[in-house]
Amino acid sequence: DGGITQSPKYLFRKEGQNVTLSCEQNLNHDAMYWYRQDPGQGLRLIYYSQIVNDFQKGDIAEGYSVSREKKESFPLTVTSAQKNPTAFYLCASSIDQGRFTDTQYFGPGTRLTVL
Amino acid sequence: QKEVEQNSGPLSVPEGAIASLNCTYSDRGSQSFFWYRQYSGKSPELIMSIYSNGDKEDGRFTAQLNKASQYVSLLIRDSQPSDSATYLCAVNPLTGTASKLTFGTGTRLQVTL
Repeated sequence: DGGITQSPKYLFRKEGQNVTLSCEQNLNHDAMYWYRQDPGQGLRLIYYSQIVNDFQKGDIAEGYSVSREKKESFPLTVTSAQKNPTAFYLCASSIDQGRFTDTQYFGPGTRLTVL
Repeated sequence: QKEVEQNSGPLSVPEGAIASLNCTYSDRGSQSFFWYRQYSGKSPELIMSIYSNGDKEDGRFTAQLNKASQYVSLLIRDSQPSDSATYLCAVNPLTGTASKLTFGTGTRLQVTL
């Protein structure tokens, strides 16, 4: 089955710890994205990547880091510098950035809770 | 600041009725528009996309776009309890070199029996 997988589904972190969220896609999509969703708010873009070994900051990149060593994978690290990391994290991918018809599809999400 | 505005709801409609969800956007140069459905605790799933002025129909769903008024809507005919969810409007302004979506906060739809 083609799709986007995220792991883990639930993640608990102690204050001061770094944690890494996994995102993998087998859709052969070039672009991948990370969003954060807080209760009652829309999705906010953290980072995105158009090609391997390249990525760009989104609107709320502070306290987060990413890598794109493989086309299929786009892991997100939530560092201890992120002051309020408790949220629902969503990974998305799309075929081709830059075309107005480009459509993003979402993985199932990871719910991160800071204890 | 590019914005997408939606009424948070809840919008309550009886089963079998038409649900009308509305969205306005601030960037006049926006090129593409998407509606996603999000069940509680789940990730968004694409319902429809629309790029040209007018109506686009897909089964019980109709998306309507009016670029002059900067307005996009989603109609759901014959609403079912399974349609109860939050509907997110997303707009692609296509500025720069990246197609980054701007999302509204969503409208919560409740279909009552």
